[in-house]
Amino acid sequence: EVQLLESGGGLVQPGGSLRLSCAASGFTFGTYAMSWVRQAPGKGLDCVSAITGSGDSTYYADSVKGRFTISRDNSKNTLYLQMHSLRAEDTAVYYCAKDAVQYSSSWSNWFDPWGQGTLVTVSS
Amino acid sequence: DIQMTQSPSSLSASVGDRVTITCRASQSISSYLNWYQQKPGKAPEVLIYAASSLQSGVPSRFSGSGSGTDFTLTISSLQPEDFATYYCQHSYPPTFGGGTKVEIK
Repeated sequence: EVQLLESGGGLVQPGGSLRLSCAASGFTFGTYAMSWVRQAPGKGLDCVSAITGSGDSTYYADSVKGRFTISRDNSKNTLYLQMHSLRAEDTAVYYCAKDAVQYSSSWSNWFDPWGQGTLVTVSS
Repeated sequence: DIQMTQSPSSLSASVGDRVTITCRASQSISSYLNWYQQKPGKAPEVLIYAASSLQSGVPSRFSGSGSGTDFTLTISSLQPEDFATYYCQHSYPPTFGGGTKVEIK
């Protein structure tokens, strides 16, 4: 069974940093692209970053470019999102999501499955 | 950048109703369009991928159609467990529509 378990969320002050982790199991991690999708309270879904299986190509939404860095350690089956210069508008549940297509050269096709999410709150 | 626009943003329907949700892309995206269902407090789950392919395990009352810029998600006979929010998503780059909340009439 595929499992994705996010961790690292919490309360952080504006301008602060946080690193999210997503521990994956139940599939050959390094052969699938992975993404971080966030959902602000009461709002819709927003993919902020994605990375290919090998880690050689990444995608960032304009809203986080230059502030967030996605990475992965295929030896540890773990996905990361390093977040700097956090703003109030970054407050959201952050989901880790696995791409559905194995060996894809793209960052994303469709997401299946998703983790349970971790809440990031940016507030003073 | 490609924009995805869903309509309506919400709707009220009764059990047994046929429900249709539309998603429009700001430019042609071929069939690179996926649909998700999200229930309160839960992560989204894929229903339809590549515009019209039914994800394994998803009931056949769900169907998707369209290509180019206009897409449709149809629930042929709404069931109590279908009351949720539905999102369309373009694959490259990963871009979501604003969502459609399906509520009980």
